[in-house]
Order: sequence, then C-alpha cells, then structure tokens
Amino acid sequence: RKEVEQDPGPFNVPEGATVAFNCTYSNSASQSFFWYRQDCRKEPKLLMSVYSSGNEDGRFTAQLNRASQYISLLIRDSKLSDSATYLCVVTINTGGFKTIFGAGTRLFVKA
Amino acid sequence: NAGVTQTPKFRILKIGQSMTLQCAQDMNHNYMYWYRQDPGMGLKLIYYSVGAGITDKGEVPNGYNVSRSTTEDFPLRLELAAPSQTSVYFCASKNLQNTEAFFGQGTRLTVV
Repeated sequence: RKEVEQDPGPFNVPEGATVAFNCTYSNSASQSFFWYRQDCRKEPKLLMSVYSSGNEDGRFTAQLNRASQYISLLIRDSKLSDSATYLCVVTINTGGFKTIFGAGTRLFVKA
Repeated sequence: NAGVTQTPKFRILKIGQSMTLQCAQDMNHNYMYWYRQDPGMGLKLIYYSVGAGITDKGEVPNGYNVSRSTTEDFPLRLELAAPSQTSVYFCASKNLQNTEAFFGQGTRLTVV
C-alpha cells in the first residue's frame, strides 16, 4: 500500500466552481501534513500546511482527520490560474523525518 | 537569494555511464531530500538526510548513492545509468520536520 494516496483526476471544472481533493495516508507515525502545488515542468511549491483544527487561506481550506488518516483541500471560486497539480505531502517520524509526496491530483479550470 | 541550487539542469547519459547530480542550499537547513518524478507521476523519495554525516533510504533508492559531508551539499550519484533512470530529479531542503520544503528547479536526465 502506498504511504500517501490521492485520486489522480483530472478534475475538469468551470471557473467559479468549488472543488475538493482528498488524500489518505497509511503510516500512523505521520506528523506533519501539507498541500503543495506544482505547475507543469516546474518544482513543487508550498500551498498550505494542514492542521488538526483545520485552516483556511483565502479561497483554500485544508482539513485533517487523524482518526481516519485523511486530508482534504477545498478550493472555492476556482480561477483559471488554479489549474495545476496538487500534491498531498506527509512527513513521517522514522527517527529522522522523511517527507513523502502523493502522486498528485490534476486540476483544470476552464472559462 | 539562491535557496536550493541544482546542477546541471539537463543531461543526456549513455547506458552504463555514471554522473553526480549536485544540490546545494544556503539556508543552513538540516533536512535535505532527493526525489525523482517520472512523466505524469508524483515525486518519489530516493534518499534523504537529517544532517551532515547522516543519510537514509527513501522509497526508490536502488541504483543511487548519496553523501552528506557538509550541511550545504547533498550530491546524488548514479553509478551505472539505466534507461529506467530517465526522469526529472528534484532536490529539496527544510529546516524542521513541520516546515516548508524548498525545492531546486530540477535536473532533467535522459539515459539512452
């Protein structure tokens, strides 16, 4: 079983739509959680951290459910510029801290 | 602000050749990582390091070696290049386990 799993999509949505991405992780030693954004042929960049209490940054809301080992990202009022791949990221305490990426969910926002 | 610097940006290797992908960061970060990303796929962890002198295997370490003699540098070595190693390689660093990872711009490697 993969340590971090995501629906690869693609999600094709119109501008203004609300879209939600889900991610599950398998290792109970997972300690920190993030969503990264990757544009085509570019390096990943941090979108937001994910906290147990849930957190919001403008149109983006992230939630964590430790009991179900589940992370979500909600994007409201989608913009054309939101088109990208969204990567779920988990840091696992192995003595050191290894950071594992999900395979990513592709989003296409269309006019 | 240099951040994470990877060299080279592009490289074509013949099967069986060896090379070292360089990664340097100037942020005094303890944690450094090497990932590979195949076309249309996510990032897979090759090796990581939690500090100078310490390295550990990730998800896909076979065919690669790393060293971490200094905090700044984390080179990735391919000893006998194979076509299956054709990929984009990303190096990343972070300060603490719960902080943002900063990425280099990637090295596009083709093995023919």
